[in-house]
Amino acid sequence: KAGVTQTPRYLIKTRGQQVTLSCSPISGHRSVSWYQQTPGQGLQFLFEYFSETQRNKGNFPGRFSGRQFSNSRSEMNVSTLELGDSALYLCASTPGQSYGYTFGSGTRLTVV
Amino acid sequence: DQQVKQNSPSLSVQEGRISILNCDYTNSMFDYFLWYKKYPAEGPTFLISISSIKDKNEDGRFTVFLNKSAKHLSLHIVPSQPGDSAVYFCAASTGGTSYGKLTFGQGTILTVHP
Repeated sequence: KAGVTQTPRYLIKTRGQQVTLSCSPISGHRSVSWYQQTPGQGLQFLFEYFSETQRNKGNFPGRFSGRQFSNSRSEMNVSTLELGDSALYLCASTPGQSYGYTFGSGTRLTVV
Repeated sequence: DQQVKQNSPSLSVQEGRISILNCDYTNSMFDYFLWYKKYPAEGPTFLISISSIKDKNEDGRFTVFLNKSAKHLSLHIVPSQPGDSAVYFCAASTGGTSYGKLTFGQGTILTVHP
């Protein structure tokens, strides 16, 4: 069965630009979460979407946004990129709490 | 404020022996706990979870223990294998409609020597 697919795998952007990352969850999984991983801060929760609605939000500035489509695919957008946004962005999906989350391989974003 | 802490950055064990990874938490509202394994350049892989109504959960070589009064959980791997070498993260959620918001520890690097 297909896993969680994130595109692109690698991305290089310039400060001030914006970026959109995509996540296709496992079929049937309605909950999709996004995380940022950096060496200094570890894995930090960005937001979670369930049935096209943002259900939970982490402590990130408004430059970070996301959405979920009717087929459960999700996108996250970062506007006005800063050097500190360089990180591995991970998407995860689950059919329910007791199943744990299945993570994608991530998108490595580098801001120069 | 780090609500989930893994105080040991690394752990080294011999193949065949037991690996014990520890995790402490401060938020008493957490009611669901998970362990993940992560290899470089890959996303974390779910290993095992435990609800706060239990104190132990087993799955093959992996057992998670939860001590709610001490706000402590541990992951036991028996027997340890070289393929278990990876970074291990514990994570917690407050459940309900917030189960999608996981708070992760900083991770422990496990090295299993042949």
